[in-house]
Amino acid sequence: EPEVTQTPSHQVTQMGQEVILRCVPISNHLYFYWYRQILGQKVEFLVSFYNNEISEKSEIFDDQFSVERPDGSNFTLKIRSTKLEDSAMYFCASSEEMNTEAFFGQGTRLTVV
Amino acid sequence: KNEVEQSPQNLTAQEGEFITINCSYSVGISALHWLQQHPGGGIVSLFMLSSGKKKHGRLIATINIQEKHSSLHITASHPRDSAVYICAVISRYGNKLVFGAGTILRVKS
Repeated sequence: EPEVTQTPSHQVTQMGQEVILRCVPISNHLYFYWYRQILGQKVEFLVSFYNNEISEKSEIFDDQFSVERPDGSNFTLKIRSTKLEDSAMYFCASSEEMNTEAFFGQGTRLTVV
Repeated sequence: KNEVEQSPQNLTAQEGEFITINCSYSVGISALHWLQQHPGGGIVSLFMLSSGKKKHGRLIATINIQEKHSSLHITASHPRDSAVYICAVISRYGNKLVFGAGTILRVKS
């Protein structure tokens, strides 16, 4: 069964460093998303991406964040200068079309020290 | 006010019991997801529905659009059903999911 895959599963980084979280969405899906979940809190939307551009972003998604689809399969989230409060589980998701079922990856646990 | 409210926050049941988790939302939606999150953190989609009722194995999800309410039922609960169950809605005017806080379910044998 097709699935969304994320790498790495866990990343530890020093405050101020740049990190890139990687996702491979399901191959025929057109819409891609990043969500995050701070420990003990609910899942929050970060950004959605369609047709090689951002279609919607949240207030959380400020200038330190960027997304890219560098080739036909990968979808990445870059955090330029990590802060302690960026520590969270980051989920990638994809859907075939707008407002269809979203499929989630297993998440990347980011720990900023 | 949260756009998506779930109840209860925590639920402990005995194996075999019938379980209901409720979700209310305040915005116009195009669809609603029920998701499951296990202790490892991964999220699995259980249902997406925009009207009526869906059934998959021992899981049943219903939605009442007029009342802005959905329920997830688990029949003949089992300890392996222990997880966090999350309701999330897709706003009518966007494509993102807005999540509830989740219901922590523990089924004891």
